[in-house]
Amino acid sequence: EAQVTQNPRYLITVTGKKLTVTCSQNMNHEYMSWYRQDPGLGLRQIYYSMNVEVTDKGDVPEGYKVSRKEKRNFPLILESPSPNQTSLYFCASSLSGFNDEAFFGQGTRLTVV
Amino acid sequence: AQKITQTQPGMFVQEKEAVTLDCTYDTSDQSYGLFWYKQPSSGEMIFLIYQGSYDEQNATEGRYSLNFQKARKSANLVISASQLGDSAMYFCAMREAYGGSQGNLIFGKGTKLSVKP
Repeated sequence: EAQVTQNPRYLITVTGKKLTVTCSQNMNHEYMSWYRQDPGLGLRQIYYSMNVEVTDKGDVPEGYKVSRKEKRNFPLILESPSPNQTSLYFCASSLSGFNDEAFFGQGTRLTVV
Repeated sequence: AQKITQTQPGMFVQEKEAVTLDCTYDTSDQSYGLFWYKQPSSGEMIFLIYQGSYDEQNATEGRYSLNFQKARKSANLVISASQLGDSAMYFCAMREAYGGSQGNLIFGKGTKLSVKP
């Protein structure tokens, strides 16, 4: 089954404790991205990757890191989480054309206390 | 400036009636795609429908249709015969071929639809 898998689904952590949210896709998509969703703000892009070893900042990259060592994986790293990073996070993947839909992971609800 | 504007934060519709969710977009690209996603209360993002900038016919997928007016830069989602299960957040999104967004999917802020029995 074609899918994007994110883990964990829910996470509560403390300020400053490094964490990684994993994302994996099995569709051989070149393009992967991370979004955060906050009430009233829609989905805002954090980072994206157009292919292996190619990553770039989205609209809200501060406080986040990513890597793309393999085509299928695109982890999101919070080196020192802060309460303002409490949010719902989505990983998405797609082919790279403008007419290609994005497939989303199930979402990760992160709370930083 | 916002690239995708959804002007209706929330809407109500009676079950079995049709409803239109508005979306306007801003781009100088000739090649772009427009997408609608549904997000139920469980949180997942569900792809509903796609319209390409070169498509002359409005896209349809079951009870969903997209009212595409290119000159007005609008891509409204029409849901016919609303069902209780249509209650959800709906997001309009755009992907440009060459614009400054680097092919990223850009989202509007969403419309929360509530279907009344």
